[in-house]
Formats: sequence, structure tokens, C-alpha cells
Amino acid sequence: QKEVEQDPGPLSVPEGAIVSLNCTYSNSAFQYFMWYRQYSRKGPELLMYTYSSGNKEDGRFTAQVDKSSKYISLFIRDSQPSDSATYLCAMSARGDDKIIFGKGTRLHILP
Amino acid sequence: EAQVTQNPRYLITVTGKKLTVTCSQNMNHEYMSWYRQDPGLGLRQIYYSMNVEVTDKGDVPEGYKVSRKEKRNFPLILESPSPNQTSLYFCASRDQGFSGYTFGSGTRLTVV
Repeated sequence: QKEVEQDPGPLSVPEGAIVSLNCTYSNSAFQYFMWYRQYSRKGPELLMYTYSSGNKEDGRFTAQVDKSSKYISLFIRDSQPSDSATYLCAMSARGDDKIIFGKGTRLHILP
Repeated sequence: EAQVTQNPRYLITVTGKKLTVTCSQNMNHEYMSWYRQDPGLGLRQIYYSMNVEVTDKGDVPEGYKVSRKEKRNFPLILESPSPNQTSLYFCASRDQGFSGYTFGSGTRLTVV
């Protein structure tokens, strides 16, 4: 079983819809969880990060962690065409060690 | 502006011709790392550095070298490039403790 699994998509949704992006993981030691957004021909940029379980909200974005299920989610409300990108989840056990990335989900928001 | 700068952005080279991809960060970050990104394989770590003169192998170090002589710079060296090193390369840096990486804009390398 891979350490981090992420559906590659592509995921196409109409503008204004709520988007749900997910990752599962196998290492119960992971405590730090991140979401990156990568536009075409650009480097990934950190969108949000959370520690341990729970939710974190930032504008239209909500990150959710369920450690009991080893499952993390990123919700995007009122999706916009500018949200079209590849979203990568990432996680690590301690704050200072290796970060493991998912392979990314391609998201298309249709105008 | 806080950033990680990689050069060149695009590079086409021939098999066996040594090349260096430069990486510089202006955030005084302790950690720096090199990744390659390939379709279907995602981001794979090549080498990382926890501080000056401290480097270690990532998941796919074969065929690559790095050095960290100054805190801000972390060049990636391909002594004898081969076609299987054709890829999109990213340099990234982060601070001590928990923080996500800041990535450069990438270097698209083609080895023919």
C-alpha cells in the first residue's frame, strides 16, 4: 500500500459548485497535513496546512483531517475557473522531517 | 519578495554533457530540497539539505549530486545526464520546525 494515495482525476465541476478533494494515507504517525495548488507550468504553492485532526478554514477553502480513518479532505466553496489546477496533498510525521506528497488531482472548473 | 529562484527554466542537452541547475532562496531557510516531477509518478525527492554542508539522499538520488556551501544556494548537478533524467525539476526551501515548502518555478530538462 502506498503511503499517500490521491485520485488523479481529472475532476470537472461547474462554476459555483462545492469541490471535494481527498487523500488517504497509511502511516498513522503523520500529524502534519498540507494542501498545495499547482497551476500548469508553475511550482506548487502551499494553500493550507493543519496539525493533527480537525478542520481549518481560509476563505473559500476548508481543510479537514480524520486521523481515525486516515483520510484528509480539501473543500472549495463557490468554485471559480481560476481554481482550475492540480491539487497535491502532503503530509509528514514530525514538523521537521520528510514530507510525502500525493500525486495530485487535476481539477477543472467549467465556466 | 520571498522566493526560490531556479535557473535555467528550460534546458535541452545531450547525453553525457555535465550540467548544473542553480537554486537560490532569499528567506534564510534552513532546509532545501530538490524534486523531480514526472507524469503518473508525482513529486519525488532527489536530495535534501538541512543546513550548510549537510545533505542527504532522497528517494531517487542516482545520477545526481548536490552541494550546500552557502545557506541560500543549493545547486543540482548532473555529471553525465541520460534520457531517463528528462523531467521537470523543482527546488524548494522551508524553515525549521513545521512549515510547508516554498517551491521555485521549475526547470524543464530534456536530455537527448
